[in-house]
Amino acid sequence: AQSVTQPDIHITVSEGASLELRCNYSYGATPYLFWYVQSPGQGLQLLLKYFSGDTLVQGIKGFEAEFKRSQSSFNLRKPSVHWSDAAEYFCAVVQPGDTGRRALTFGSGTRLQVQP
Amino acid sequence: DGGITQSPKYLFRKEGQNVTLSCEQNLNHDAMYWYRQDPGQGLRLIYYSQIVNDFQKGDIAEGYSVSREKKESFPLTVTSAQKNPTAFYLCASSMWYRPPTNEKLFFGSGTQLSVL
Repeated sequence: AQSVTQPDIHITVSEGASLELRCNYSYGATPYLFWYVQSPGQGLQLLLKYFSGDTLVQGIKGFEAEFKRSQSSFNLRKPSVHWSDAAEYFCAVVQPGDTGRRALTFGSGTRLQVQP
Repeated sequence: DGGITQSPKYLFRKEGQNVTLSCEQNLNHDAMYWYRQDPGQGLRLIYYSQIVNDFQKGDIAEGYSVSREKKESFPLTVTSAQKNPTAFYLCASSMWYRPPTNEKLFFGSGTQLSVL
């Protein structure tokens, strides 16, 4: 079964510092990969997604993510964090193709705190 | 405005009671999903539906039931068999392409269910 691991439960960075959130997946084939962000008490918003092609993906709010097949990773990055980026971030995967489970599997999330 | 509406925002369940969470979307999306969110565990899939009158179990379907009689609606019933129902419940929807090229989920703002 496919699974997603986000090894960092909680990360604190200073405003203006760079950010990298880790995501590793376990699956036989390369899945489709996603990063979502959740503000407290709200639903999730899609930041970016990777299906194929260029392994560096640009998303909204200045975020990017790099797919590394050799490491089964899809880490999220931002060069300079803003206080409004404080939220919980989820990595998610879904298997490609028309068959099998057609719903995203989410990681356990990383809570980002931004210090002034 | 198009979107997903979940109601109520807060719900309390008495021992042995069944409760139903509402989820309505006006995005004309084919697929709908129910996720349960517990602190530190991310989102876990309860049920999902690709088309009307069809749905599949997710990872934690025991103690829950759903129906999909209309494209716009996907209510979730938390039955008395669910012994630990306290959680934040998120409904989502997405377009359905063959082959899938757009797996973007649109989320509702959630329902917090608590046991009295």
